[in-house]
Amino acid sequence: AQSVTQLGSHVSVSEGALVLLRCNYSSSVPPYLFWYVQYPNQGLQLLLKYTTGATLVKGINGFEAEFKKSETSFHLTKPSAHMSDAAEYFCAVSDSGGAQKLVFGQGTRLTINP
Amino acid sequence: DSGVTQTPKHLITATGQRVTLRCSPRSGDLSVYWYQQSLDQGLQFLIHYYNGEERAKGNILERFSAQQFPDLHSELNLSSLELGDSALYFCASSPSGGLASDTQYFGPGTRLTVL
Repeated sequence: AQSVTQLGSHVSVSEGALVLLRCNYSSSVPPYLFWYVQYPNQGLQLLLKYTTGATLVKGINGFEAEFKKSETSFHLTKPSAHMSDAAEYFCAVSDSGGAQKLVFGQGTRLTINP
Repeated sequence: DSGVTQTPKHLITATGQRVTLRCSPRSGDLSVYWYQQSLDQGLQFLIHYYNGEERAKGNILERFSAQQFPDLHSELNLSSLELGDSALYFCASSPSGGLASDTQYFGPGTRLTVL
């Protein structure tokens, strides 16, 4: 069975600082990996996804993530945090060989300090 | 705006009651997914429909059922409600019938409160 672990339920950074949100996955088949963002009282919005090909994936709002198979990781980064980045971030995996369902991590709440 | 609509936004009801949540997918999308988001369980996949047919089931209780209609909108029916069913219910849609690489587009959710 697939699973996702997000290290750190809360991350706090200063405005302008590097954002690093950690995600590790477990999958018996090549995974497809996703990062979603959830702003307060809203649905989930896709930031980026990895399916095949280039392991460094660029997304919206300046975010990027790197798929590292050897480390089973898909960490999300942004070089310079902005106040508007404050939200909850979810890493998810889907099974390339099975049913199209997303398995989500528990989420990381990102706080930006002025 | 993802293009996925869900109604109602909020629902407050009592234990033992039955409710219906409605979802309209993005124009042209054939797949609809339902997820439950709660504080203790996080985001959990419930069920997937493609073009009217059930494709996959997740952690969906027997008290819950869903269907997708010919116009592709979907309804999630929750019956014999318990306090623990209080959660945010999301609908998502995608263009295809099961490509795991497809992006799922999420609606704004329906917040269900069971008193």
